[in-house]
Amino acid sequence: GDSVTQMEGPVTLSEEAFLTINCTYTATGYPSLFWYVQYPGEGLQLLLKATKADDKGSNKGFEATYRKETTSFHLEKGSVQVSDSAVYFCASRNSGNTPLVFGKGTRLSVIA
Amino acid sequence: GAVVSQHPSWVICKSGTSVKIECRSLDFQATTMFWYRQFPKQSLMLMATSNEGSKATYEQGVEKDKFLINHASLTLSTLTVTSAHPEDSSFYICSASGGMVSEQYFGPGTRLTVT
Repeated sequence: GDSVTQMEGPVTLSEEAFLTINCTYTATGYPSLFWYVQYPGEGLQLLLKATKADDKGSNKGFEATYRKETTSFHLEKGSVQVSDSAVYFCASRNSGNTPLVFGKGTRLSVIA
Repeated sequence: GAVVSQHPSWVICKSGTSVKIECRSLDFQATTMFWYRQFPKQSLMLMATSNEGSKATYEQGVEKDKFLINHASLTLSTLTVTSAHPEDSSFYICSASGGMVSEQYFGPGTRLTVT
């Protein structure tokens, strides 16, 4: 079945450092890809998404590009802030109302 | 964006009792709702998919008689944990999509503690 693999954390960075969280997927079709963020004690929020190959999703300084050739959707941010500390989940979904398939999550801690 | 609420946000109950968690789509009609369970420091585990007006589809290993899901209207789905035990303690999250909303929007989660 479909699956999502993302780098294990925790990841600890200093403020203004560059962030990369790797994510790869396996799918039978051409899924949409997502990054969700979960702040402590809260539910998931959609951070960004891409629906087809070579699409770039971006939001709040975060970016991820849908790479079909490497089946990847790595999350990047050029300069992290303390407020970015959270757990980040990569996810895929084949179509409309099918369930999301999540990676295991990567905890990011940004220190001042 | 679309808003999904959950109630209660946290609940403590005694072993053997039942607990009902509500998931509501506040500004759209949710034809499909999903229920997830999240263990500490782990990812989300899909429990079931619920389509309005029909029986929920449970994932393998999820007891349908223990986790009762009802999706009686386009804005409300409920998860009832029956005869709760301490091992049912977890963070339960719902998501919803449907109608004009193609994305899945997540509720804020409900933390259940069974003593």
